Amino acid sequence: GQQLNQSPQSMFIQEGEDVSMNCTSSSIFNTWLWYKQDPGEGPVLLIALYKAGELTSNGRLTAQFGITRKDSFLNISASIPSDVGIYFCAGQSVNAGNMLTFGGGTRLMVKP
Amino acid sequence: SAVISQKPSRDICQRGTSLTIQCQVDSQVTMMFWYRQQPGQSLTLIATANQGSEATYESGFVIDKFPISRPNLTFSTLTVSNMSPEDSSIYLCSVDTGAPRSAFFGQGTRLTVV
Repeated sequence: GQQLNQSPQSMFIQEGEDVSMNCTSSSIFNTWLWYKQDPGEGPVLLIALYKAGELTSNGRLTAQFGITRKDSFLNISASIPSDVGIYFCAGQSVNAGNMLTFGGGTRLMVKP
Repeated sequence: SAVISQKPSRDICQRGTSLTIQCQVDSQVTMMFWYRQQPGQSLTLIATANQGSEATYESGFVIDKFPISRPNLTFSTLTVSNMSPEDSSIYLCSVDTGAPRSAFFGQGTRLTVV
């Protein structure tokens, strides 16, 4: 089946620093979605991307849909303690019945 | 977006018993999905809940173990049958709202089997 490689798996950063994480796939996706999951909660949609090359921002978050349609990145600028959590990328393919394939997650830990 | 309510939010169950999880959406949606998230892991699709027909299961998941109902476009249930400790996970309901495509999740059901 489709595989999504998400990196890094985890990271500690200093408050105020910028963060970058990415996902790569062996398959093409029509949609890339980025989620954040807090402990005890379901994933919350942060950003959705629909076109190759698309760059979208949501506050301090910026994500891009790769030109090849096989990758995406998420940047968080000026991180704050509430950014702590697990971030997941997910790719959606029309050829796969619109089901989502998830990356393994990036656990973000911020030093206050 | 869609507001998704899942019940129960958590439960502790005895092995050999079954638990039914409910998912209610605040609007009609075509596509509903059930995921499992094992401790410290990513999300794995169990099945697509089809309205008016049998659910479509992913490899490794079977109807006898995870029966699913979808009586209408706003509601679905997932049953975890004959539970064992290996079934301890978070179970999540998800909906796809269509155009533009986005997928939203309920808050999850944290299941512990003892």
